Amino acid sequence: DIQMTQTPSSLSASVGDRVTITCRASQGINIYLAWFQQKPGKAPKSLIYAASSLHSGVPSRFSGSGSGTDFTLTITSLQPEDSATYYCQQYTSYPYTFGQGTKLEIK
Amino acid sequence: EVQLVESGGGLVQPGGSLRLSCVASGFTSTGFWMSWVRQAPGKGLEWVANIKPDGSGKYYVDSVRARFTISRDNAKNSLYLQMNSLRAEDTATYFCARIFCGTGGCYYDYWGQGILVTVSP
Repeated sequence: DIQMTQTPSSLSASVGDRVTITCRASQGINIYLAWFQQKPGKAPKSLIYAASSLHSGVPSRFSGSGSGTDFTLTITSLQPEDSATYYCQQYTSYPYTFGQGTKLEIK
Repeated sequence: EVQLVESGGGLVQPGGSLRLSCVASGFTSTGFWMSWVRQAPGKGLEWVANIKPDGSGKYYVDSVRARFTISRDNAKNSLYLQMNSLRAEDTATYFCARIFCGTGGCYYDYWGQGILVTVSP
């Protein structure tokens, strides 16, 4: 199975800040990497697919990059509504696997 | 508007069975892979199973293979998860999700709101 490791596990930032979350795959996954945002008690929301493509309706302050084993999710100009847990997920092979999540708190 | 609505969850005893349903609207399910993903209380997301658009191919995480069965009825725009021999560790919120296949591979785009399954004596 491909292991997905996110860093950090949690972070705290202020409105207007730029934050970066890293996701590392235990083996190469090309660009088949997705990012999700999940707020407490809610379903995940799809943010990014194919490492860097934004889903329709996702604000442009969200961006993704990377290929192979190392990927990043960047949020520029942080907003209060960005407080959530973020997950990466590889979909290159079964079983699909998720990172353990990064909890983002807005100060 | 795409909507996925799960039902069928609840409290079940260890060793029992439960059948989850997911009704899709706003699109024709025949064109899409579908999936179940679960989340244990306070934990992360775990992929459970995928099914091809015509139901001919099914894929499972090892921990549920031989106990869970994913199926679909495209005439009813519905997805199902039959869960047998349930264990305490199957306690989770189960999400139905649509998979879109394009140039970026086959990835999740829409999610249901989730349904809670609790396995307890």
